[in-house]
Amino acid sequence: SQQGEEDPQALSIQEGENATMNCSYKTSINNLQWYRQNSGRGLVHLILIRSNEREKHSGRLRVTLDTSKKSSSLLITASRAADTASYFCATDYNYGQNFVFGPGTRLSVLP
Amino acid sequence: EPEVTQTPSHQVTQMGQEVILRCVPISNHLYFYWYRQILGQKVEFLVSFYNNEISEKSEIFDDQFSVERPDGSNFTLKIRSTKLEDSAMYFCASSPLSWLAASTDTQYFGPGTRLTVL
Repeated sequence: SQQGEEDPQALSIQEGENATMNCSYKTSINNLQWYRQNSGRGLVHLILIRSNEREKHSGRLRVTLDTSKKSSSLLITASRAADTASYFCATDYNYGQNFVFGPGTRLSVLP
Repeated sequence: EPEVTQTPSHQVTQMGQEVILRCVPISNHLYFYWYRQILGQKVEFLVSFYNNEISEKSEIFDDQFSVERPDGSNFTLKIRSTKLEDSAMYFCASSPLSWLAASTDTQYFGPGTRLTVL
């Protein structure tokens, strides 16, 4: 079955540093999306990358997708304390019928 | 900016009771979804809904669960007889009808309802 898996499970960095989170999946996908979840809150969409794209940028976010390795990475540059949250990748393999979320990476940015 | 809303934000119920979680999707969206997240665990897909019927459902979505779009704006998840293990955050999401155009779009999530079963 399709499953996204992020690593690391937890990441702690200093403000100003870059944070890199990875996601791996098992079967072919239509797109992959990254979401942020602040503790106890809802999921906020960050960025969508389609299967025919290799890299996308949005502000301080950079997402790459390697379909040959079935993996994606999310890079947050110049991190801020407000970036502290859990980050999930979600793979869409059925044209939006459902997403499969990974377990998430808990990012802590220390001031 | 339009957003998905969910009520209540927190629901406490006794085991065996029925609960209805309510969602108001974004008005021009046509695909609706429910997910759940047990505390400290990953987000799990429950069901997707389009054109007044279930499009896809997961193994979690058993006979205890049902979904309904009772009117033009609400989308509900009913759990008939709650169990302790149903305690979780339940997220509703919606997306525009884009899959027919062979492209996919993001799902917009509500803030969630925290269900506590005692």
